[in-house]
Amino acid sequence: AQSVSQHNHHVILSEAASLELGCNYSYGGTVNLFWYVQYPGQHLQLLLKYFSGDPLVKGIKGFEAEFIKSKFSFNLRKPSVQWSDTAEYFCAVNVHNQGGKLIFGQGTELSVKP
Amino acid sequence: DAGVIQSPRHEVTEMGQEVTLRCKPISGHDYLFWYRQTMMRGLELLIYFNNNVPIDDSGMPEDRFSAKMPNASFSTLKIQPSEPRDSAVYFCATRGSRANVLTFGAGSRLTVL
Repeated sequence: AQSVSQHNHHVILSEAASLELGCNYSYGGTVNLFWYVQYPGQHLQLLLKYFSGDPLVKGIKGFEAEFIKSKFSFNLRKPSVQWSDTAEYFCAVNVHNQGGKLIFGQGTELSVKP
Repeated sequence: DAGVIQSPRHEVTEMGQEVTLRCKPISGHDYLFWYRQTMMRGLELLIYFNNNVPIDDSGMPEDRFSAKMPNASFSTLKIQPSEPRDSAVYFCATRGSRANVLTFGAGSRLTVL
């Protein structure tokens, strides 16, 4: 079945540690890829997106993600996390031939210890 | 712009009652999506509209759920009758036809006792 998979349900890191959150999708064809962040008690906000071009995209707050087409992956990275990065992170895919809908992964909860 | 506006922000109701959630999209956004967020299932797409027309309602869990978009500035998601398993946060999100980035509302937290 077509899906978006986030491998880590809950990640716990200390401040200044490096972060990588995995995301894989199973859709063929052309896709747009997104990472959204949901801070505690808040709504989802866009962190970064990939439409085309350079597969390494940079987002807000020092986050970046790399699109590897051959691996159907779009992993999120940050070299040094801060306590304020504590949030839930969602990977999402929009498939071009499936209209406008955005399909989300299950989410990864990140807890950063001060 | 006030963003995507959802109401109510919180609702507590008893099983069997009708629940109506409302969404006002950003002006000019012609796509509107309803998502449900739970701990167990994450973010699920329930239904989405384009130019007020429902395009895909395959995510609507059952006949108890219905959604309408009578005009470009208003949408409702109705649950009748409600059940405890409907307890979740319901998000409305919208985007323009040229932009592929969703803007989310603050969500409506529903608790069905």
